[in-house]
Amino acid sequence: DVKVTQSSRYLVKRTGEKVFLECVQDMDHENMFWYRQDPGLGLRLIYFSYDVKMKEKGDIPEGYSVSREKKERFSLILESASTNQTSMYLCACRDTYTDTQYFGPGTRLTVL
Amino acid sequence: QKEVEQNSGPLSVPEGAIASLNCTYSDRGSQSFFWYRQYSGKSPELIMFIYSNGDKEDGRFTAQLNKASQYVSLLIRDSQPSDSATYLCAYPNYGGSQGNLIFGKGTKLSVKP
Repeated sequence: DVKVTQSSRYLVKRTGEKVFLECVQDMDHENMFWYRQDPGLGLRLIYFSYDVKMKEKGDIPEGYSVSREKKERFSLILESASTNQTSMYLCACRDTYTDTQYFGPGTRLTVL
Repeated sequence: QKEVEQNSGPLSVPEGAIASLNCTYSDRGSQSFFWYRQYSGKSPELIMFIYSNGDKEDGRFTAQLNKASQYVSLLIRDSQPSDSATYLCAYPNYGGSQGNLIFGKGTKLSVKP
């Protein structure tokens, strides 16, 4: 089974702080994704990466950046956290043979 | 705009009944569909996927796909309280980001003992 881990389950930060969310997968998948999930809005794609150092913006990239220096690790960076970035953040990787996405446990981020 | 429509619920069924969850999608070219289950506060976990028209069964779960009607459903037989969760339908966005999934907003299922 694919294992996707995220660095924190819960995180509380202050407005203006720089925040790093880490995601690691153990299956050598090329595609990795960052989503955020908010009540009533569903899952929204922030950024994705299709290989090391390769990234593309998703539907809501504003206020975020990403880093993929190694194939197994995909990081989401909030350059200057704001209260409207309080959300559940979900990392996923994709099995290219089946298109299945496997999610990490999620990080519940609260920005005060 | 590619979309997935799901009834948000909540759908309430008694224990032991069949729960029927439905999803319609806008992209006629979609070839595969996924059902995820998400417990409150947890991340989505894959239940099953279906590629071809007809039914696919896995234990108590049956996915049904009708491409002509752009409709996919999930049946849960002998529903248990542990099935209470939000169920997300999704399909790949082949024309956009490399393989990201387009998700519905989910149907909340409540199974009453």
